[in-house]
Amino acid sequence: DIQMTQSPSSLSASVGDRVTITCRASQSIGSFLNWYQQKAGKAPKLLIYGASNLKGGVPSRFSGSGSGTDFTLTISSLQPEDFATYYCQQSSSTPHTFGQGTNLEIK
Amino acid sequence: QLVQSGVQVKKPGESLKISCEASGYRFTNYWIGWVRQMPGKGLEWIGIIYPGDSDTRYSPPFQGQVTLSVDKSISTAYLQCSSLKASDTAMYYCARQAYDTSRDAFDIWGQGTMLIVSS
Repeated sequence: DIQMTQSPSSLSASVGDRVTITCRASQSIGSFLNWYQQKAGKAPKLLIYGASNLKGGVPSRFSGSGSGTDFTLTISSLQPEDFATYYCQQSSSTPHTFGQGTNLEIK
Repeated sequence: QLVQSGVQVKKPGESLKISCEASGYRFTNYWIGWVRQMPGKGLEWIGIIYPGDSDTRYSPPFQGQVTLSVDKSISTAYLQCSSLKASDTAMYYCARQAYDTSRDAFDIWGQGTMLIVSS
């Protein structure tokens, strides 16, 4: 199975900050990397698929990059509604494993 | 959208079947996946099923522990567990996997079904 490792596990930031979360795969997954946002008590929501494709309706302050084994999710200017937990997931081969999550908190 | 069955409270050793009803798209054309989230923990990929032919793929920790199935006539997917343990207490989500529009990401999610296993 492909292991997905996110860093950091938690992050404190302020409104307006630029934030980057990284995700590393244990083997090459091409660009089959997805990012989800989960708020407390809610189902996850797809933000980015295929490493860099923004899902329709997702604000443009979110962006993704990377290929192979190393990927990043960037939020260019944090808004109050962005404080949540973020997960990466590989969809290259089953099982489509998730990273352990990054909890983004208000500083 | 995907609409899941409600909160389930079970005793150890009992069985469970969670439903996930799809609407608004052609049910047989997209894989349906299941994800577990234990209290305060991250997301775990359980498996996927293709409603068109019931092809299934399971994650090794869940192989033999759960059964995925569908009823195409009512556009509903199911997750079945038997011999429940307290450690099965978790939120279970279903989600649509879309290759054509999101490269096999889960683009639509159910609201989740909370399972509580307690004596």
